Amino acid sequence: DSGVTQTPKHLITATGQRVTLRCSPRSGDLSVYWYQQSLDQGLQFLIQYYNGEERAKGNILERFSAQQFPDLHSELNLSSLELGDSALYFCASRTGTTADTQYFGPGTRLTVL
Amino acid sequence: AQKVTQAQTEISVVEKEDVTLDCVYETRDTTYYLFWYKQPPSGELVFLIRRNSFDEQNEISGRYSWNFQKSTSSFNFTITASQVVDSAVYFCALTSNYGGSQGNLIFGKGTKLSVKP
Repeated sequence: DSGVTQTPKHLITATGQRVTLRCSPRSGDLSVYWYQQSLDQGLQFLIQYYNGEERAKGNILERFSAQQFPDLHSELNLSSLELGDSALYFCASRTGTTADTQYFGPGTRLTVL
Repeated sequence: AQKVTQAQTEISVVEKEDVTLDCVYETRDTTYYLFWYKQPPSGELVFLIRRNSFDEQNEISGRYSWNFQKSTSSFNFTITASQVVDSAVYFCALTSNYGGSQGNLIFGKGTKLSVKP
């Protein structure tokens, strides 16, 4: 158990809908990262937050957004969903610096029908 | 640009065989960090090891060992006496502060290891 929690574990929805994925980092970790794992693109970095502020963006679509709340949990919002958004979405957290290891949550498997 | 290459897409071995998973990386940073993660069939990503660019010592942990060679930009992972429970997809990853990166991981495509009884 990494100490990172993600809910829900599975999510099935229809095209055009909006969903919210939730992540709680390990106790004491200030940085939260979101990654998407799909068959064609592999594991890709989406966005990072540090202590409530956005710090870096990767290959994140404009239809996707995220935030980190004062209690450090983070939410990833996916809107106007398309079939191609079906993927496994991971959240990871680390304590502070680049040197620190990122620990991953169990992931949320999103299926868009 | 930063890149991680895992040329072996799939490897199949019989239990008790030794197996080496290859990882080659590219980065312009002089300070960087390399990782291996395991993704078993259940889907979670499990951290195995972290190595920084200044530490070229090889590491052994039980049946697992890692060989880091800066001269060839490689960070290979060997499982000795493989077991069925080692069946998983293994990812090599790289991070640094290159190009303003905030430490996000660059992953290879992964190597799927199947260990047959």
